[in-house]
Amino acid sequence: AQSVTQLDSHVSVSEGTPVLLRCNYSSSYSPSLFWYVQHPNKGLQLLLKYTSAATLVKGINGFEAEFKKSETSFHLTKPSAHMSDAAEYFCVVTPMDSSYKLIFGSGTRLLVRP
Amino acid sequence: DTGVSQDPRHKITKRGQNVTFRCDPISEHNRLYWYRQTLGQGPEFLTYFQNEAQLEKSRLLSDRFSAERPKGSFSTLEIQRTEQGDSAMYLCASSPTREAFFGQGTRLTVV
Repeated sequence: AQSVTQLDSHVSVSEGTPVLLRCNYSSSYSPSLFWYVQHPNKGLQLLLKYTSAATLVKGINGFEAEFKKSETSFHLTKPSAHMSDAAEYFCVVTPMDSSYKLIFGSGTRLLVRP
Repeated sequence: DTGVSQDPRHKITKRGQNVTFRCDPISEHNRLYWYRQTLGQGPEFLTYFQNEAQLEKSRLLSDRFSAERPKGSFSTLEIQRTEQGDSAMYLCASSPTREAFFGQGTRLTVV
């Protein structure tokens, strides 16, 4: 069965410091992986996607993620946090077998301290 | 391209009433998804369509829930005999290939 585990429910960083949000996945097939962001009272926005091309993926707003098959991980990083990055982040896997449903992790709330 | 549109944005209903939500996907996106999100949780998969065919349904989708996409364009999600546990944000998304684009959601409150 496919699943996604976000290892931290909350992450708190100071503005200007690096951000690391951790995600591990389980999939029987070569998956597609995504990160979505949800600001309070806003819809889900796609940050970046991995679809079996380059393993280091660049997204919007300076975010990056690296697909590591050996570690079944897809961690999200950003070199320098901004106050506007405070939001809920979801790691998502689509098992590329017969199903195209998106399987969400439980989310990580990012807090950015001034 | 105005993105995925959901209507209504908010719905308050009395327990036992039926409700219907509409989703208009991005044009030419052949896959359409419905998800449910409760406070503090990640979105839970309900069902998805490839064009007009409903390809997969979650076990969460009890017989009180039904979804349609009659012409492969807009979709409706109906909940019959609503219960307080149905209170949630209902999200619709559409996809041209792999990534999905979400609407703003319909917030349902059952009183």
